[in-house]
Amino acid sequence: GENVEQHPSTLSVQEGDSAVIKCTYSDSASNYFPWYKQELGKRPQLIIDIRSNVGEKKDQRIAVTLNKTAKHFSLHITETQPEDSAVYFCALGAGTALIFGKGTTLSVSS
Amino acid sequence: DGGITQSPKYLFRKEGQNVTLSCEQNLNHDAMYWYRQDPGQGLRLIYYSQIVNDFQKGDIAEGYSVSREKKESFPLTVTSAQKNPTAFYLCASSIQGATEKLFFGSGTQLSVL
Repeated sequence: GENVEQHPSTLSVQEGDSAVIKCTYSDSASNYFPWYKQELGKRPQLIIDIRSNVGEKKDQRIAVTLNKTAKHFSLHITETQPEDSAVYFCALGAGTALIFGKGTTLSVSS
Repeated sequence: DGGITQSPKYLFRKEGQNVTLSCEQNLNHDAMYWYRQDPGQGLRLIYYSQIVNDFQKGDIAEGYSVSREKKESFPLTVTSAQKNPTAFYLCASSIQGATEKLFFGSGTQLSVL
């Protein structure tokens, strides 16, 4: 089935730095690209999403960029804070069920 | 946390035993899903249902079964054929189809005795 590669698997930054997580995919039919955040012991929650007709979307300190030609999309977090520490998952939607990446554990140290 | 409820929070399975995980939602969502989460493996799709009385296998359906007799409920049975059942199981629902925003339950941790 469809596969999505997510990198890096772990990311450590200092408070105030930026963090970038990238996902690549192969199915050209994918048209929905959400990002979920899962804090320790909690359920995943949608933080931002983008559709294939848009190249970039921002929501305060987070942004997602999509390059359909190159088949990759990225999550950008600026001015990171300790509460941004969590596991982040990218996902693909193409008409059936979402397919998730393996996740990135982000650690923000103060 | 209303909306989508999973129970129990922790479940233990004995060798050769079938166990059923409950998932109930009051969001009036048409679609429901089961994902399995293992450390470092992300969320892998077990089964999904887009409408009552219909469901489809996901990527790792072997050893699992589901039913969708009511719109609100999508129970998952982990059968004895699933040889490595220890994992965190997440149920989710969405308004329609599968490419919409997923709302997740709080999960069930299944362990083998």
